[in-house]
Amino acid sequence: KAGVTQTPRYLIKTRGQQVTLSCSPISGHRSVSWYQQTPGQGLQFLFEYFSETQRNKGNFPGRFSGRQFSNSRSEMNVSTLELGDSALYLCASSLLLAGGTTDTQYFGPGTRLTVL
Amino acid sequence: QQQVKQSPQSLIVQKGGIPIINCAYENTAFDYFPWYQQFPGKGPALLIAIRPDVSEKKEGRFTISFNKSAKQFSLHIMDSQPGDSATYFCAASISGANNLFFGTGTRLTVIP
Repeated sequence: KAGVTQTPRYLIKTRGQQVTLSCSPISGHRSVSWYQQTPGQGLQFLFEYFSETQRNKGNFPGRFSGRQFSNSRSEMNVSTLELGDSALYLCASSLLLAGGTTDTQYFGPGTRLTVL
Repeated sequence: QQQVKQSPQSLIVQKGGIPIINCAYENTAFDYFPWYQQFPGKGPALLIAIRPDVSEKKEGRFTISFNKSAKQFSLHIMDSQPGDSATYFCAASISGANNLFFGTGTRLTVIP
């Protein structure tokens, strides 16, 4: 079974631009979560989507948004990029078990975003 | 506010040693505690996870010890190998919420 794939792997943008990152979950996984990883703040949860609906949201500004499509693929968008948005953006997919219990989150390799 | 505190920040052991990484949490609603391993250029990969109904769990050379009253849990790596050199993250979440709170990570180096 193929793992979580993320595209692109590397991206360079300038301040003020916007960016869209893509994530394809493991086949059959309907929950997709996004995380930001930086040396200073570590791994921080951005948001989670399940069945095209945002289920949870972390403490990030509204410039960070996402969506999920009917095939469970997900995109995240960052508008008006700031230097501090430079980070590794990780996508994770998982099954949602009966009763809403979370299963293992499987991470993709990430998209390395550099904002100049 | 760091919901999960992890120590040490870095750790160097000889091959065959038993590195121990510790984590502590405050939110008593957390009921799922995974450990992830991350190599450079890769995403985190699940090593082992525990729920608070057990005090210890072993999978191969990896063991989690869990102390619910102290709100602490730790990872032990038995017979460590150079290939174990990586960054290790503890995490915590509440069942039903796919929102992992991660520790700050421990960079482990195993010297041959």
